[in-house]
Amino acid sequence: SQQGEEDPQALSIQEGENATMNCSYKTSINNLQWYRQNSGRGLVHLILIRSNEREKHSGRLRVTLDTSKKSSSLLITASRAEDTASYFCVTVGIQGAQKLVFGQGTRLTINP
Amino acid sequence: GAVVSQHPSWVICKSGTSVKIECRSLDFQATTMFWYRQFPKQSLMLMATSNEGSKATYEQGVEKDKFLINHASLTLSTLTVTSAHPEDSSFYICSASSGLTFYNEQFFGPGTRLTVL
Repeated sequence: SQQGEEDPQALSIQEGENATMNCSYKTSINNLQWYRQNSGRGLVHLILIRSNEREKHSGRLRVTLDTSKKSSSLLITASRAEDTASYFCVTVGIQGAQKLVFGQGTRLTINP
Repeated sequence: GAVVSQHPSWVICKSGTSVKIECRSLDFQATTMFWYRQFPKQSLMLMATSNEGSKATYEQGVEKDKFLINHASLTLSTLTVTSAHPEDSSFYICSASSGLTFYNEQFFGPGTRLTVL
């Protein structure tokens, strides 16, 4: 797998607003995955989008994938205080992969 | 399904002692387990990949004699930090994969916070 580069590094918004995080990568992929990590906790797998998909929804999450631009975005709608966490994207190459390489992530803070 | 546990969730030890951390897949058989380390406000760094019944593969820069990994069964892997020092203080996270999907989805444990005094 390869490292995804998340942007921005930190994001602070008011509760109820939407949060958008971006991820860029360099080579062809089989799929891209987003994970969430609450402070001092393990990781939670949020969503996986395959290379032949352009958009995927899961509850308040919307993920888009643009393979021509080698980028993905994660949108969290109607943010809540419990969405405060770090978000990471990871890509799996077309060969498949065992190990995941994490970028620095986006630290999202939802202000009440 | 796909639950991974870690024990202990936190541990404090004296410098020079050894600490063992357990990682268990509770409802599936994990052919592969991974160990990560995370320093405060930093990303997860993969330390090693362990396949059941074989020796772990360590990432560059990770001392295999210091971080002993045992994956003796399909549901349990252990990481032993030998002769721990304060610089080993970190958050250690394991993940497990059944290897049954092409993308080898990993399920993460809740992590173990190690503090070495």
